[in-house]
Amino acid sequence: AQRVTQPEKLLSVFKGAPVELKCNYSYSGSPELFWYVQYSRQRLQLLLRHISRESIKGFTADLNKGETSFHLKKPFAQEEDSAMYYCALKSGSARQLTFGSGTQLTVLP
Amino acid sequence: DGGITQSPKYLFRKEGQNVTLSCEQNLNHDAMYWYRQDPGQGLRLIYYSQIVNDFQKGDIAEGYSVSREKKESFPLTVTSAQKNPTAFYLCASSLITGSGANVLTFGAGSRLTVL
Repeated sequence: AQRVTQPEKLLSVFKGAPVELKCNYSYSGSPELFWYVQYSRQRLQLLLRHISRESIKGFTADLNKGETSFHLKKPFAQEEDSAMYYCALKSGSARQLTFGSGTQLTVLP
Repeated sequence: DGGITQSPKYLFRKEGQNVTLSCEQNLNHDAMYWYRQDPGQGLRLIYYSQIVNDFQKGDIAEGYSVSREKKESFPLTVTSAQKNPTAFYLCASSLITGSGANVLTFGAGSRLTVL
């Protein structure tokens, strides 16, 4: 069965510092991975997906199949990045996503 | 706001009562989902539906029921059999492509509190 692990429930960094939110998955096939974000008083929304290989709001995430990881990174954190971040896995032809437990990021001034 | 509408935003229920949460979408999405969001546990899938008149259990379906009589609507009933119903409930929808579910669009959520 597929599983997504986000080991950090809470993460605090100072503004301008690099930030990395960890995500590990378990799935034997070919995965598709996503990062979703929920800002305060806003809806949960897609941040980025690995197949797009894009940078959104300065965030990037690279799928590492050897380490089964999909860590989210940003070189210089901003206060507006403070939010709850969820990593999600779509396995094969699954019609639904499996979500991790989330990491609450706080960027301090 | 558009796309997915959940109501009510807040709901209080006495123990032993069933309650129904509404979810409507105007995105013409094929699939709809109900998730439960608890602190420290992330999002857990309750039920999902890919087409009208069909739905499947997710990881935590016990104590819940759904219907999909219309493409636009996917109401969730929290029954008295649900042992710990106090939670934040999120509805989502997506297109279905050949490779499975596409990106999810979420509603604003409904917070249920059992008194």
